[in-house]
Amino acid sequence: AQSVTQLGSHVSVSEGALVLLRCNYSSSVPPYLFWYVQYPNQGLQLLLKYTSAATLVKGINGFEAEFKKSETSFHLTKPSAHMSDAAEYFCAVSSMEYGNKLVFGAGTILRVKS
Amino acid sequence: DTGVSQDPRHKITKRGQNVTFRCDPISEHNRLYWYRQTLGQGPEFLTYFQNEAQLEKSRLLSDRFSAERPKGSFSTLEIQRTEQGDSAMYLCASSAASGNYGYTFGSGTRLTVV
Repeated sequence: AQSVTQLGSHVSVSEGALVLLRCNYSSSVPPYLFWYVQYPNQGLQLLLKYTSAATLVKGINGFEAEFKKSETSFHLTKPSAHMSDAAEYFCAVSSMEYGNKLVFGAGTILRVKS
Repeated sequence: DTGVSQDPRHKITKRGQNVTFRCDPISEHNRLYWYRQTLGQGPEFLTYFQNEAQLEKSRLLSDRFSAERPKGSFSTLEIQRTEQGDSAMYLCASSAASGNYGYTFGSGTRLTVV
C-alpha cells in the first residue's frame, strides 16, 4: 500500500477562502507526520509536525493539521488563503515501519486566485 | 549557523560525465540524508548517514551513485557516467538524533544531463 497519499495533485482556491489539502497515510505503528512547503526552485520548509502529542497541530503561516487515527488522515488547513500561499505542499510520514526515514507523498500544488 | 547548504545550485553536464555535489548540514545534526526529486513527484530517499557511517542505501541508488561523509560533517554525492534519467533535483537534509522531529532541507542541486 502507498505509504502517503495526497488527494488532488492540484488545488485552486480564491484569496480569502479556506485551504484544505488532504493527506492519508499507511502505517501499522504509531507514525510521525509532517507537512512541508516548497516554493519553485527551493528546498522544503517544515510547516508543522505531529509527534504523538496534541492531535491538532498548529504550524507556521496560519496553517494547522489534525491527526485522525481512525481515518488515517492528516489534512492540512488554513482558514483564509493568501496569494503568498501558492506553492507545492508535501505530506510525509516517518515510522519504524519505514525505517524511521521520511517518506513523502507526491505533493499538491496550491494555486491562489485573486 | 545558516542551515543546510548545498553546492552547486545548478549543474548542467553532458551524458557520460561525472558530477559531484556537496552538502553542509547544520553543525549540531549528526544525521544527513540525500533525496532525489523529479518533476511532479515527492522527494525519494536515496541514502543517509549517522555521523560518518552510511547506514542505509535505497535500491534507487545504482552502482553509479556513491555518497560519503568522511568526517561526519559535510557530505558528497557523486554520480558517475551520468544518464539523462539522472536529471532531477538532489536534496540534502539533516536532523538531530532519530529525525522524528523533522528534517531541515537545503535548497537543492538541480542537475540537468544533456
